[in-house]
Amino acid sequence: QVQLQESGPGLVKPSETLSLTCSIPGGSITNSDYSWGWIRQSPGKGLEWIGSLSYAGSPIYHPSLKGRVTVSIDSSNNQFSLQVNSLTAADTAVYYCATGLRLGLFESWGQGTLVTVSS
Amino acid sequence: DIVMTQSPDSLAVFLGERATIHCRSSQSLLSTSTYRNHLAWYQQRPGQSPKLLISWATTRESGVPARFSGSGTGTDFTLSISNLQAEDVAVYYCQHYYHAPPYTFGQGTRLEI
Repeated sequence: QVQLQESGPGLVKPSETLSLTCSIPGGSITNSDYSWGWIRQSPGKGLEWIGSLSYAGSPIYHPSLKGRVTVSIDSSNNQFSLQVNSLTAADTAVYYCATGLRLGLFESWGQGTLVTVSS
Repeated sequence: DIVMTQSPDSLAVFLGERATIHCRSSQSLLSTSTYRNHLAWYQQRPGQSPKLLISWATTRESGVPARFSGSGTGTDFTLSISNLQAEDVAVYYCQHYYHAPPYTFGQGTRLEI
């Protein structure tokens, strides 16, 4: 299984932009066999897919978040990232990065990082 | 969007017995070209990340005990856990990965002993 590690701020203010990165120790972001994605889980709630992309493909996003989120690949640092702008309290969640051999199928997950949106 | 609905929301099963969780999708997840169902099951133990148990509705991932099995096709799917063990306490989610966006998860089923 591919190991993944999220990193980013634990606390962000409303209306600001969240930036998270997912590093891939022991793996390669340029491996075209894999797709990469972000999923979040609000406190005590279920799982919500945010967006995904493969190395050679265009990103796809959840329609409810499109326009606020960007998923991108940083080949030089062997990682991929998530940006969410115009944050509100509703964006408070544990954010997971995940990967798999098929777009949308998440075979390996990071440990998750809690992001709280609060002033 | 394809809506995934699980039942029940929670259940309690005795150790050694069988647990059965159902998942229904609002559209068929069966590909007419590959004849495969684009349906996955995940296990999320308390305080942990989700773990993929089953893909393609019936294919158990490497290392997943044979006590876990998936069945179903089209819009109706089932996850069965036989000989329930204490470590099976978790929330279980179904998810489709067909015709995104968006990929959607069921609301989860909490399994207790």
